[in-house]
Amino acid sequence: EVQLVESGGGVVQPGGSLRLSCSAAGFPFHNYTMHWVRHAPGKGLEWVSLISWNGASRFYEDSVRVRFTISRDNSKNSLFLQMNSLRTDDTAFYYCAKDKETGGGSYFFDAWGQGALVTVSS
Amino acid sequence: DIQMTQSPSSLSASVGDRVTISCRASQSISRYLNWYQHKPGKAPKLLIFAASSLQSGVPSRFSGSGSGTDFTLTISSLQPEDFATYYCQQSYSTPWTFGQGTKVEIK
Repeated sequence: EVQLVESGGGVVQPGGSLRLSCSAAGFPFHNYTMHWVRHAPGKGLEWVSLISWNGASRFYEDSVRVRFTISRDNSKNSLFLQMNSLRTDDTAFYYCAKDKETGGGSYFFDAWGQGALVTVSS
Repeated sequence: DIQMTQSPSSLSASVGDRVTISCRASQSISRYLNWYQHKPGKAPKLLIFAASSLQSGVPSRFSGSGSGTDFTLTISSLQPEDFATYYCQQSYSTPWTFGQGTKVEIK
């Protein structure tokens, strides 16, 4: 069974930093593109970032491009999101999500974690 | 960016009802359209991918159709566990965007 477990959420002041982690199990993590998707209160789902299976390709949503960095450690089946210069509109549940296809990716998500809540507030 | 617009934003229905949710893309996305179910406090769940392919383990009362810019998710006979918010998502081009969601509530 695929399992994705996020950690590292919390409350941070505007301008602060936070690092989210996602621990993966139940599938060959090193074969899959991985994503971060967020859900802000009262809003819809928003794709945030992806990283290819080998870390060579990374993409970001425009509003986070220069502030967030996605990375992975295939030896530890782990995905990360370093979030800097946080703003109040970054407040959301952040989900780690697995791409459905191996290799280049299909850019949709067949497994999700339970989410980590990030609250940016003074 | 490709904008995804769902309608309605919410609906009330009874158990056993047939429910249809629409999703429109701001440009043609061929059949690169996926549907998710999201319940509060739970992980979102993939229901349909590539417009009409049923994800493994998803009940057959869920179906999807459409291509180009107009797509539909249908629940043939609504069950108590289907009350949730449903999202469409395009996987045609980055950034991979979602619709605003359709909340299905109990009548």
